[in-house]
Order: sequence, then C-alpha cells, then structure tokens
Amino acid sequence: AQSVTQPDIHITVSEGASLELRCNYSYGATPYLFWYVQSPGQGLQLLLKYFSGDTLVQGIKGFEAEFKRSQSSFNLRKPSVHWSDAAEYFCAVALYGQNFVFGPGTRLSVLP
Amino acid sequence: SAVISQKPSRDICQRGTSLTIQCQVDSQVTMMFWYRQQPGQSLTLIATANQGSEATYESGFVIDKFPISRPNLTFSTLTVSNMSPEDSSIYLCSVDGARDSLYNEQFFGPGTRLTVL
Repeated sequence: AQSVTQPDIHITVSEGASLELRCNYSYGATPYLFWYVQSPGQGLQLLLKYFSGDTLVQGIKGFEAEFKRSQSSFNLRKPSVHWSDAAEYFCAVALYGQNFVFGPGTRLSVLP
Repeated sequence: SAVISQKPSRDICQRGTSLTIQCQVDSQVTMMFWYRQQPGQSLTLIATANQGSEATYESGFVIDKFPISRPNLTFSTLTVSNMSPEDSSIYLCSVDGARDSLYNEQFFGPGTRLTVL
C-alpha cells in the first residue's frame, strides 16, 4: 500500500542550529514530492517540490530537500533555524493525476 | 500560485446544525479539494470537486454528510451537516495550481476552524 512516513513526531532545536526533517515513502513508482509548512492557526504553505531532475531542490525561507531514490526519502533541511520556523511540517507525495497523500507531520519547536 | 480565501475563518456550532464553508480562488482552476484536519492530526482528503460534475468522495466520507457545490471555476462550498463534536476540525480548501502543466501541485486556503459543542 502507498504510504508516507515522517518518523519524528516532534523535534526541538536551538535557534541557529541546523535542521533535518525526515520523510520516507512507499510507492510503486517515484512520486512527486512536496514539503508544506503550517504555522499555528494557518493553512499550509508550499515550501518546495520535486518533480524530476536535480535531486537537491531549493525552496522558500532557506529550506532545501534532497531526493534519494535508493532510500525512498525526501528529507528537508535548513542550515540555521530561526525562531519563526517553529511550525508543523508535512511531507506529501502524489503520482501524476492522483490525489495527494500527506505524512503525519513533524512539529518543530525552536529554543531561544 | 493561487490566492485562496475561506469563509468563515472559524465558527462554534451547536450539535445537530449545519455549516457551509466557502472557498474562493483568484483564478480559474480545474480541480478543487476539501480536506479535514482533526486536532493534532494530518490532512485527510474528503472529496474532489470539479466544475460541472458531481464531487468525488473518498472512502469514509458521504455526500449526505458533506455536500459540496462547485458552481464555477473559482468557487466551491462544503457543508458539514448534522454536526456532532467529532466534526470539530480544521477544514481546508485547496486547488490544483497547475491546470495546464504536466505536473500537479496544490495550494491551500487558510482553513476554517470548526468547533462543535
């Protein structure tokens, strides 16, 4: 069955530290891959997406993600976290023409 | 990208009543989606709404409980009928932002936070 996992329910990092949020998927083919961020009381904002080509993709707010086919992973990274990055992060996958499937989310807390 | 607005942004309702949520997009889009996000949970797709046809519901969701309208390419409504406290959730509208593209991506509205007493 198709699935998306985010192994870390909650991550806490200090401001200025680096960040990596994990995302793994189980699909018969390589899907399109997305990361969304949801700030408290807000909707979802698209951070970045991977369709094909270069496996390292750059997004907004200084985020990047790397697609690794061999590991079925699409991990999100940021070299230096800001307090405003505290939010819920969702990985999502979709095959072309099919519905999105969202991971369970990872809540990020940032310590001053 | 598309700019999406939802009304109301939040509401507190009594058990047994119904609430209609509106979703407005600033451009014409082919597909609109309605999601439910229960407290502390991820997003679950309720249905897909295409203009000019009946909405397509996902397993576990039925038209009698969540009727959807899609009168044109920029607007949709979702009604939560005969509400119970279990319907307390955030309801999110999203659109397919790549109408003429080979790829699909979705953009989300700010959500409607519903509390049922």
